[in-house]
Order: sequence, then structure tokens, then C-alpha cells
Amino acid sequence: NAGVMQNPRHLVRRRGQEARLRCSPMKGHSHVYWYRQLPEEGLKFMVYLQKENIIDESGMPKERFSAEFPKEGPSILRIQQVVRGDSAAYFCASSLRIVGSSYEQYFGPGTRLTVT
Amino acid sequence: AQSVAQPEDQVNVAEGNPLTVKCTYSVSGNPYLFWYVQYPNRGLQFLLKYITGDNLVKGSYGFEAEFNKSQTSFHLKKPSALVSDSALYFCAVRDGENAGKSTFGDGTTLTVKP
Repeated sequence: NAGVMQNPRHLVRRRGQEARLRCSPMKGHSHVYWYRQLPEEGLKFMVYLQKENIIDESGMPKERFSAEFPKEGPSILRIQQVVRGDSAAYFCASSLRIVGSSYEQYFGPGTRLTVT
Repeated sequence: AQSVAQPEDQVNVAEGNPLTVKCTYSVSGNPYLFWYVQYPNRGLQFLLKYITGDNLVKGSYGFEAEFNKSQTSFHLKKPSALVSDSALYFCAVRDGENAGKSTFGDGTTLTVKP
């Protein structure tokens, strides 16, 4: 039973380029969350998605960042025109349906983005 | 709004001694509380959770946590620490009335010395 998968594990981009981070949730999970972890800091919530729906994007920067979770395929976190401050580890997590909301999240290994 | 505080950036203990990693929370509804562990260059692994019921929750790798409603705390404990427990530990809270978004603390680095 494969866990949450993220790719690439490491991504290097020059300033101004686009970064695309992919996340495949655990089998049977229909809820995906994206978090960012800056060096020496904790996890910061970015966005929460269900299939074809953004449920909560209160942690997403207003510009350059977008996320989607299409009906088919992985969830994508897209960062346009990257800047050095975007360098961080980006973690994806998934969970079962949230009726009762007691379900824990299962995390992927993360994508480490370096902007040069 | 919900928040989590982990007051200690770092906890050092000797192998075989008991360990405690502290966590306090703030949430408007019923708290759902979680502990996760992160090893270097890895994602977070779920350790245990409190939803309702017994205040003492047992989890993976011999860890347990005690929910204290009056002190709004959910401290992580282990009776006898192992060197392999050295890692970064995160406490998280979710509002039971507002499911979905979890708020994480800034993490506590646990170092267990032989």
C-alpha cells in the first residue's frame, strides 16, 4: 500500500522560472493538504483541496502560487516566477473523508525547492 | 482561530531517562490533537492523536500523550528514551467543529544522548 508520493524530491529553479510540485495521495484518500517548511521553521498550512475543489486556501500567498487537484491525476502546487524566498520544503498530506474530522494526515516525503 | 505553542525549541535527555515534549493549544471548538515526528530529510510520521475519551493516549514507538483540558495542554511523553528517538517533533491541533485545516507548532528538536 503505497503512501503519499511526491515528485520531484528535489527541484532547482532559477529566479523567474516556474516550479511544479506533484502529489499523489494515498489510495482511497480524497483530501489533500499542502504545507511549506522554511529552513529552521515549522510547517505552515498553505491549501486544502478535495477533488476538483479548493476548500481552504487561506495560507496561500496571494500572487504566483496556485494549486489544483483534478478529477484524474495528482495534485499540483504551482509557483510562477519563483524568487529566492520560495526556497523551502513543500509537503503534501492526504487524509480520508473528513466526516467527524478525526482522521490523521499522512505526509509525503516532501519536495525540496531551491531557487538560485 | 486556532494555535499551537511548543515552548521548547530543544529538549535534551539521556538514554533511558523519561522524556517530555510540551505542547499547549488554543481552539474555539473541541480540540482534536496530534503528534507527528520528522526525521532528517523525511516527511512527517503520525505518532498519536486525541479525539475524545481517555485523557492518556498511547501511540507508536512507546510514546504517549496526556490531554489536559484545564491547562489546554497535550504533552508528549515516553518513560524511557532511546537514541533513535532523536528527531523533530510537531504538535498539531484541529478544531473539531471546523474540520480540515490543522495548525502545527514550530517543532521541538529532541536529542537523546547515549
